[in-house]
Parts: sequence; structure tokens; C-alpha cells
Amino acid sequence: NAGVTQTPKFQVLKTGQSMTLQCAQDMNHEYMSWYRQDPGMGLRLIHYSVGAGITDQGEVPNGYNVSRSTTEDFPLRLLSAAPSQTSVYFCASSPEELPQETQYFGPGTRLLVL
Amino acid sequence: AQSVTQLDSQVPVFEEAPVELRCNYSSSVSVYLFWYVQYPNQGLQLLLKYLSGSTLVESINGFEAEFNKSQTSFHLRKPSVHISDTAEYFCAVSSNTGFQKLVFGTGTRLLVSP
Repeated sequence: NAGVTQTPKFQVLKTGQSMTLQCAQDMNHEYMSWYRQDPGMGLRLIHYSVGAGITDQGEVPNGYNVSRSTTEDFPLRLLSAAPSQTSVYFCASSPEELPQETQYFGPGTRLLVL
Repeated sequence: AQSVTQLDSQVPVFEEAPVELRCNYSSSVSVYLFWYVQYPNQGLQLLLKYLSGSTLVESINGFEAEFNKSQTSFHLRKPSVHISDTAEYFCAVSSNTGFQKLVFGTGTRLLVSP
């Protein structure tokens, strides 16, 4: 049981490039989400999903796309990277809607956009 | 909408001393409250949570937090800290009606020195 895994751990992009941050969980959790963590701002919700085929926007969705074709995977796509997207990205999952169950966080992906 | 304020960005303390990390929240509806801990280069881990019932909640490693509805606070305390408690601590809130999404504070870095 690996929990929540994220790849890559580190990534450097040039402005305008696109990429996909991968997130997978092997706990059969229905609820998954993406957060970004910036100094002095805590974690902010980007997108979330309550099950396969269902996604919705969080607090800071602009510039990001998500899809949920399977229960296990929840990739985050940067369409055209900008320096403002330099951040640490965390994926999280939980077996049902908060708060009865704890959210489990992945180790994070550090992204630098030049 | 909910918001969380953690006024102290950094709290230095000596080993075996008591510590309090402050958290205040704002919400027009009833809430659930959480404290998460993030050790260096790791994801977030749930430390403790308040859902209902007793206003004093405890973690397995000696931390406790008390929900104070009149003061809209959820301060985290430990009577005697260890070097290993050095980490960043995040307070978070979610509504207890409808679909719950976590709103995080900006975090407090606890620095424990010998």
C-alpha cells in the first residue's frame, strides 16, 4: 500500500511549456484534490474530484486542468506554464467527503517556471 | 465562506518548554477544525481534528487543541516540546454542511532548540 504518490518530485519548465503532474492513490478513495503551497499563503485548493468522471474548481483553478477517468488517478495539467505557477503542488485523497475521514497527502511536486 | 488566521509565522522555543500556536477562524456557518503538521520536505499529516462533542481534542504525541466558539479560536498547545516537534503547523477549517473543502491558514513554523 503506497498511499498517495506524486511524480515528478522536481520539475523545471520554461514559460509557455505544458506539462502534467501525476497523482495516484491505491486506497480506493473517492475524493481527491490538488493544492498549491506558496510561502506565506498556506495551501490553496486548485481542483477537486468526488469520484471518477466528476471534477470541480477550487479556489485557484486558472491555468490548470484536471480529469478523473479512474478512481486511482487524478492528473493536473498546466496548459501554458507561467512564473506565477512556481510552487509546491500537493495531491490529497480521502475515502469520502470531509471531515469524517482524514485527507492523505502525497509528498509533493516542486515546480519552477522560468 | 471560511477563513483562517495564524498570526504567528514563526515560534521559537527551547526544548521541554510549553508552546501555544494560535489559530482564529471566521465563518458564517458551523465548522469543523483541523491541525496539520508538515515536516521538512514532506506532505501534510493530520495532527488532530474537532468535529463535535468535547471541545478539547488530543493527539497521540502530546498536542492538544481547544475549540472556543465564542472566541472563534482553535489554539494548539503542548506542555513540553521536543526537538522532533520542529515543523510547520497548519490550521484548517471546513463547513459542516454541504460539500466540505479545507481552507488553510498560512502556517506557523515551530522551531525547537536545545
